[in-house]
Formats: sequence, C-alpha cells, structure tokens
Amino acid sequence: EAQVTQNPRYLITVTGKKLTVTCSQNMNHEYMSWYRQDPGLGLRQIYYSMNVEVTDKGDVPEGYKVSRKEKRNFPLILESPSPNQTSLYFCASSRLAGGTDTQYFGPGTRLTVL
Amino acid sequence: KNQVEQSPQSLIILEGKNCTLQCNYTVSPFSNLRWYKQDTGRGPVSLTIMTFSENTKSNGRYTATLDADTKQSSLHITASQLSDSASYICVVSLSGYALNFGKGTSLLVTP
Repeated sequence: EAQVTQNPRYLITVTGKKLTVTCSQNMNHEYMSWYRQDPGLGLRQIYYSMNVEVTDKGDVPEGYKVSRKEKRNFPLILESPSPNQTSLYFCASSRLAGGTDTQYFGPGTRLTVL
Repeated sequence: KNQVEQSPQSLIILEGKNCTLQCNYTVSPFSNLRWYKQDTGRGPVSLTIMTFSENTKSNGRYTATLDADTKQSSLHITASQLSDSASYICVVSLSGYALNFGKGTSLLVTP
C-alpha cells in the first residue's frame, strides 16, 4: 500500500531534550516536506527536499533541522525543543516538486513540549 | 507576502444540502491551485488540483472552479453527507514546491 508513515504518532517531551520524528514513504517520491499545523494558523511549511541531499527552508524553519540521505526517509530533528514547538506535525511527499503531482500526507505527529 | 484567504471560517449544513466554499488568493505568479480535505486529527487528502488554464475540476460530489483573472476559486459539495464533515483547505502553488496554505473552512454536516 502506498503510504507516508511517521513515528512516533504522539510524543510528550521536556524542553531541551533532542528528538527526531521520522518520516518514510514507499512511493519512490522525489519531493518531501514537513509542515506544522497550529489552531488558527493553518499548515505552515518547515522544510522541504527536492531530492536526496537537497533540502531548503520553508516558512518556519527556526529550531528545526532535516536531512535527506535516502530517497524514502526525511527525518525532522529538534535539537533543543521549546514549548512553542508544541504542535501537530505532518510529513508529505509527491513524485516531483513541480507541476500538479498529488501530495500525500502522513498521519501526523502530535508533539507536546513541556 | 502571498495570501490565501478562505471563507467562511466555519459552516454548518444539513445532510443532503449543497454548499460552496470560497478561496481568494493573491499569489503570483500562479502555478496551480489545490483543494484538500482534512478529517480531524488526520493528514490532508487531495481532492482536486487545477492549473491556471483549467476552469473546473470534479472529484465525485466535489467540484472545484477557478477564475484566474479574479484570483478566486470555489469548492462546491453536492448532496452533502455526514462524512463530509471536515476542514477544507485551499492551497495555491507558486512553482510547485512553494505552497501557500489557506487556514481552511471547517464544515459540519448535521443529520
């Protein structure tokens, strides 16, 4: 089954404790992206990747890091989480970055930073 | 700053009725416009994608229209069902990878 998976689905952590949210897709997609969703603000792009070893900042990259060493994986790293990073995070992928390719979203990771 | 504005913020309709959601944008240059459906606590699911040359696109009971001259799009839902209760998000693309998201319209369909 074609899908985007994220782990963990739920995470409660404390300020300053490094964490990684994994994202994996099995569709051989080139483009992957991370979003955060907050009430009243909608979805905002954190980082995106056009292909392996090619990443770029989205609208809200501060406090986050990403890497794309393999085509299927695109982990989101919070080196020193803070309470304002409490949010619902979505990973997404599409075949290509441009054009009208459908973007597939993962199920989401709900992160709480205390 | 590119903007995507959706209206109304929320909407309640009776099962079986039709409804129309609006999306106005100021994104330029425009590449394509997408409508997503997001159930509570789940990831968005693509409904339609339209390029600037397309005026309408249907997906079952969902029909999206686009007027690139006035920079307006609408999503029409026909014969609503309880399962249509969700948030509907309009997304406008500059170049395919730069996506501008609206804040969504929350739709509740009641029996």
